[in-house]
Amino acid sequence: AQSVTQPDIHITVSEGASLELRCNYSYGATPYLFWYVQSPGQGLQLLLKYFSGDTLVQGIKGFEAEFKRSQSSFNLRKPSVHWSDAAEYFCAVGAWMNRDDKIIFGKGTRLHILP
Amino acid sequence: DAMVIQNPRYQVTQFGKPVTLSCSQTLNHNVMYWYQQKSSQAPKLLFHYYDKDFNNEADTPDNFQSRRPNTSFCFLDIRSPGLGDAAMYLCATSRAGQGIEQYFGPGTRLTVT
Repeated sequence: AQSVTQPDIHITVSEGASLELRCNYSYGATPYLFWYVQSPGQGLQLLLKYFSGDTLVQGIKGFEAEFKRSQSSFNLRKPSVHWSDAAEYFCAVGAWMNRDDKIIFGKGTRLHILP
Repeated sequence: DAMVIQNPRYQVTQFGKPVTLSCSQTLNHNVMYWYQQKSSQAPKLLFHYYDKDFNNEADTPDNFQSRRPNTSFCFLDIRSPGLGDAAMYLCATSRAGQGIEQYFGPGTRLTVT
């Protein structure tokens, strides 16, 4: 069965420091992978997605993620975080079932930013 | 801007009193989803519509129902809310197809008193 693991529940970094959020997935075929961000009390916003092709994917707000098939990973990175990046980050895999495409979310990583 | 709209943003209901949450979209997407998200947890899919076809998740309680009268609107009905149903309810839409991302509304925060 498809699954997504985000091993870090909380991450704290200083403003201006680099960031890497980890994500591992389990999927039988080529996965469709997503990173979403959720600010407190808000819905989810898509940061970036990987379907195929270049394994380094650029997203919005200066984020990027790298797909590594050999490690079943899709880690999210940002070279320099801003206080406004404090939020919950969800990694997700698209599971194609018949004609229905569902998203399976990881449990999320809450990012805290130190001034 | 094309978007997913949820009303109301905050809803307070009494234990056992039916409540309806609303979602509308201007994206003309044919798939609409309802998720329940409790504090510090991932969204949990309740059900989704592929056009008019309703698809219920196996573990969604019977207390939760949904209606989709047209492409643009989808409703979540909770027939007899319990204290455990207090959560954020998220509506999402997507085009049909493999690997297509979902677009989320801002959510409705439901409180049960």
